[in-house]
Amino acid sequence: EPEVTQTPSHQVTQMGQEVILRCVPISNHLYFYWYRQILGQKVEFLVSFYNNEISEKSEIFDDQFSVERPDGSNFTLKIRSTKLEDSAMYFCASSVGALDYGYTFGSGTRLTVV
Amino acid sequence: DAKTTQPNSMESNEEEPVHLPCNHSTISGTDYIHWYRQLPSQGPEYVIHGLTSNVNNRMASLAIAEDRKSSTLILHRATLRDAAVYYCILRVPFNAGKSTFGDGTTLTVKP
Repeated sequence: EPEVTQTPSHQVTQMGQEVILRCVPISNHLYFYWYRQILGQKVEFLVSFYNNEISEKSEIFDDQFSVERPDGSNFTLKIRSTKLEDSAMYFCASSVGALDYGYTFGSGTRLTVV
Repeated sequence: DAKTTQPNSMESNEEEPVHLPCNHSTISGTDYIHWYRQLPSQGPEYVIHGLTSNVNNRMASLAIAEDRKSSTLILHRATLRDAAVYYCILRVPFNAGKSTFGDGTTLTVKP
């Protein structure tokens, strides 16, 4: 069964450093998403991406965050200057359509900011 | 946010059916009902979704009330691998940000 692949599985970074989280969505999917889950808390929506542009973003997704689909296969989330509170599991997801299709999630990247 | 209400936890015995309820009394006519589950230390996993009619797939069945204000996820024979947090989510058209994961129902399956 097709999978969404995320790398790395775990990243440790120093506060203030830039990080790039990588995702390879399922090849025929058109919609891409990033979510995060702080330890012990709910899964939170960050951003959705369609047709090479952001279609929606949450309040969490401020100027420190950006997304890109640089080469038609990878989908990346960049955090420019990490803060301690950015420590969380980050999940990438993709779907064929926006509503009448399920999202396939990756297994996540655990980001630890020290 | 498009709000859903689920019990915090439920228990089931292995190989018995499980009915996981969800209330979504403020659902709009175009909102899809999606169910996901999350096993410990894993990403959410799609289970099933529907709009108005009941749905079946290899994992589960989804029963949607006639007024669409509630739905029930049915696992026909629970296994130990079904122990997870189950989330009922309303997928709002053109507003993924309103389709939020709540606290979900933690399902415990006893052998």
